[in-house]
Amino acid sequence: DGGITQSPKYLFRKEGQNVTLSCEQNLNHDAMYWYRQDPGQGLRLIYYSQIVNDFQKGDIAEGYSVSREKKESFPLTVTSAQKNPTAFYLCASGSGTGNNQPQHFGDGTRLSIL
Amino acid sequence: SQQGEEDPQALSIQEGENATMNCSYKTSINNLQWYRQNSGRGLVHLILIRSNEREKHSGRLRVTLDTSKKSSSLLITASRAADTASYFCATSGNTPLVFGKGTRLSVIA
Repeated sequence: DGGITQSPKYLFRKEGQNVTLSCEQNLNHDAMYWYRQDPGQGLRLIYYSQIVNDFQKGDIAEGYSVSREKKESFPLTVTSAQKNPTAFYLCASGSGTGNNQPQHFGDGTRLSIL
Repeated sequence: SQQGEEDPQALSIQEGENATMNCSYKTSINNLQWYRQNSGRGLVHLILIRSNEREKHSGRLRVTLDTSKKSSSLLITASRAADTASYFCATSGNTPLVFGKGTRLSVIA
């Protein structure tokens, strides 16, 4: 079955620690996205990548970093500079390199501070 | 920057009734998409309507788009308890999809 796999499902971060959230897709999609969702809120775009070895900042990129070394993988690092990291993080992918295609989502990683 | 704004924020109906959710947006779009999110899960794409379309159907879903009013509506007919979820509109233009804050739908059996 094709889809997007996010891991881990739950993650805890200590003060001053960087943590990396994994996102893997086998849909052969060019574009991948990271969103943050806070309770009762919509999705806010953190970073996106429309092609391997290239990525762009979204609306709330500060305190986060990404890489796109392989088409299938788009890991997100939440750095110690992100002072309020507690949220639900969603990864998505889309076919084509444009912005208009439907997105396919993973089931998210819930990050909390210890 | 969130462009889509759904209305109402929450909706509670009886099973078998119809549910209508609205979405308003601010700038010109290429298309508008509706997504569903079950609690604690990722979003699932439901339907896409292009800017030159006025109405689209998919099963029990009916979506309308009025570009002159910059608004869209999602109608779910004959609702079921399994339709309980949050529903989001997302607008597509020159930037990646911009999502609204969603409507929480509760369908009571």
